[in-house]
Amino acid sequence: DIVMTQSPLFLSVTPGEPASISCRSSQNLLHSNGNKYLDWYLQKPGKSPQLLIYLGSNRASGVPDRFSGSGSGTDFTLKISRVEAEDVGDYYCMQGLQTPITFGQGTRLEIK
Amino acid sequence: EVQLVESGGGLVQPGRSLRLSCTGSGFTFSDYAMSWVRRAPGKGLEWVGFIRSQVYGATIEYAASVKGRFTISRDDSKTIAHLQMNSLKTEDTAVYYCTRWIHVQDHIDVWGKGTTVTVSS
Repeated sequence: DIVMTQSPLFLSVTPGEPASISCRSSQNLLHSNGNKYLDWYLQKPGKSPQLLIYLGSNRASGVPDRFSGSGSGTDFTLKISRVEAEDVGDYYCMQGLQTPITFGQGTRLEIK
Repeated sequence: EVQLVESGGGLVQPGRSLRLSCTGSGFTFSDYAMSWVRRAPGKGLEWVGFIRSQVYGATIEYAASVKGRFTISRDDSKTIAHLQMNSLKTEDTAVYYCTRWIHVQDHIDVWGKGTTVTVSS
């Protein structure tokens, strides 16, 4: 199974400041078709998870451009350029390269 | 509007069964794989399994933790997917989310609101 490891597990950020979450996979998520099978999801308090980034760096529809995804191979990063109060919640990376599909442990972001 | 609505959750004793349903609307249900993801209290997200679309053979994959106990099925004519859960354990207690899985790009793009399953005596 591919193990996904996120860091940090907890993040406290002042509004307007940047934030960054790292996700490392135990196997290369770059497929021979050129796709990187790494996605990012946010679960806001009391809500269902929502897709933020797919295939490593593609923002989902309606996601603000302050969110960006980067990385390749086994190391990926989610960046928020300027954190807003509505960004609080649990962030997860997920690999879709092979089953079983696996998620990172989650990173909880709070606002200072 | 694309929607997924789960139903069937509740309180059940260990060893018993429960069937969850997921009704899709606002999209061509048969074009997509449907997957289930759960979140246990105090834990993170865990993929349960999925069923591919007919174009991809409607094949099914499961997480090791539920294989042999859970069964995923779909009825495209009714735009519904099911998660049959047998031999339930206390560790199956979670919110279960029905999700839409995008083939080829292989990610989840739509989540239902979830239904709560509590396994307790």
